[in-house]
Amino acid sequence: DAGVIQSPRHEVTEMGQEVTLRCKPISGHNSLFWYRQTMMRGLELLIYFNNNVPIDDSGMPEDRFSAKMPNASFSTLKIQPSEPRDSAVYFCASRSGLAGPDYEQYFGPGTRLTVT
Amino acid sequence: AQKVTQAQTEISVVEKEDVTLDCVYETRDTTYYLFWYKQPPSGELVFLIRRNSFDEQNEISGRYSWNFQKSTSSFNFTITASQVVDSAVYFCALTSNTGGFKTIFGAGTRLFVKA
Repeated sequence: DAGVIQSPRHEVTEMGQEVTLRCKPISGHNSLFWYRQTMMRGLELLIYFNNNVPIDDSGMPEDRFSAKMPNASFSTLKIQPSEPRDSAVYFCASRSGLAGPDYEQYFGPGTRLTVT
Repeated sequence: AQKVTQAQTEISVVEKEDVTLDCVYETRDTTYYLFWYKQPPSGELVFLIRRNSFDEQNEISGRYSWNFQKSTSSFNFTITASQVVDSAVYFCALTSNTGGFKTIFGAGTRLFVKA
C-alpha cells in the first residue's frame, strides 16, 4: 500500500514566485495535515483538514499561504509570493479514523523548498 | 494550554549503551494521546508508539521501551543496547480535545550513536 505521496521532493525558486506543493494522502485516511520544519522553529502545524474541510488553519503564517483539499485524495499548499524565509521542509501527513485523535499520523517524505 | 517539552536537545552515546529520552507534557484534558516519532537522517518521520491517557502500562518492543507516568506527566523512551542505526531525531507528541485534536510536537531530541 502506498504511503503519503508528496511532490515535488525538492523545489528551488526565486523570491516572488508562486510555489505549489502537492500531497496525496493514504487511501481511506480522512484527516490531512501540513507541517513546516525548520532548524529555528522545529516542526510546526500549518493547517489540518478533516473530511476535506479545514479545521484549524491558525498555524498558517500569513496570507501568502493557502491550502486546499478539493477531494479526499489530493491537497495543495500554495505560497504566493514566496520569500527566502519560507525555505523549509514541508511535510504532509494523513491519519485514519473519523476525527480519531488516538490514531497516529503517517508522514510523507517531505518537500524541501529553497527560496533564493 | 498544551505543551510538550523535550529538554534534551542532543544526546551522544557509544554503541551498546542504554539511553533514555525524556518527554514531559502539559494538558488540562483528562483524555489525551501521546506519541513518539523517529526522524532518521533520510528525513521522513516514522511513527513508533502511541499511548492513551487511560493506559499507563509500560511497553516494550525489542530494544525500545516506554515509561508513561501520569503523576509526573512524563512519557519517556528508552533504547537498550543502542546501535548506530538508532541515530535520529526523536519527537514526542500530544493530541487531546483542546484545539480540536491537533497534535503538538516537542522540539525533538537528536540522538547520536557512535560506533
